[in-house]
Amino acid sequence: DAGVIQSPRHEVTEMGQEVTLRCKPISGHDYLFWYRQTMMRGLELLIYFNNNVPIDDSGMPEDRFSAKMPNASFSTLKIQPSEPRDSAVYFCASSFGRGNTGELFFGEGSRLTVL
Amino acid sequence: QKEVEQDPGPLSVPEGAIVSLNCTYSNSAFQYFMWYRQYSRKGPELLMYTYSSGNKEDGRFTAQVDKSSKYISLFIRDSQPSDSATYLCAMSYRAGGTSYGKLTFGQGTILTVHP
Repeated sequence: DAGVIQSPRHEVTEMGQEVTLRCKPISGHDYLFWYRQTMMRGLELLIYFNNNVPIDDSGMPEDRFSAKMPNASFSTLKIQPSEPRDSAVYFCASSFGRGNTGELFFGEGSRLTVL
Repeated sequence: QKEVEQDPGPLSVPEGAIVSLNCTYSNSAFQYFMWYRQYSRKGPELLMYTYSSGNKEDGRFTAQVDKSSKYISLFIRDSQPSDSATYLCAMSYRAGGTSYGKLTFGQGTILTVHP
C-alpha cells in the first residue's frame, strides 16, 4: 500500500490567495483526520471524518477554513483567504475504525507558507 | 494549561545511552496512551501504545503509564543515531464513539543521538 498521499508537498502563496490541500487516505480506512503542526502549538486536530461524514470540526480555527470528503478516497482542506498565520505543516491521517485503539497513519504533510 | 505537557528539549545523547522521555497530563479521562516518532520532514508514525496503567516493552523501547500520577514515559535502551527524531506522546479518551481518534498530542521532544 502506498500509504496516505498528500499534495502538494510544499506551497508558497501570498496573503489573500486560496489554498487547497489534498489527501488520499489508505484504501479501506473509514476515518480521515486533518491536523496542523506548528512549532508554537504542536499538532492540532482540525477536523475528522467517518465514512466521508464530518464528525467534529471544532478544531477548525475560523470560517476561512473548510474541509470536504466527497468520497472514500479523497479529501480537501481549503483556506480562503489565506493569512501569514496559517503557515504550518498540514497533515492528513487515516485509520481503520474497528477493533483497534485508533492508530493513525499520517501522510508526509503539506508545508504551507503564506507570505 | 495544556492538557498534555511535554518538554520539547532538545535532548542530545551519545550512542548507547538510555533515553527517558516524559509527558504529564491533566485529564484523568485519558485511557489510551501512545508514542509517535516523527523523522524530519515526515509524518508521525506510531511507535508504541498502552491501555491504562502499566508497562509495555518492544525491543529497545519501553512505555510506562502511571495514571495515578498522570505521567507517561518512553525509555529507549542502547540508543542509536537512527533513533534521532521527534518523539510525540499522544492520548485519547476511548477507542470508540465520537471521541474515536481524537488524539491530543504533546509538543514533541527533539532527540539527537550522536555517534
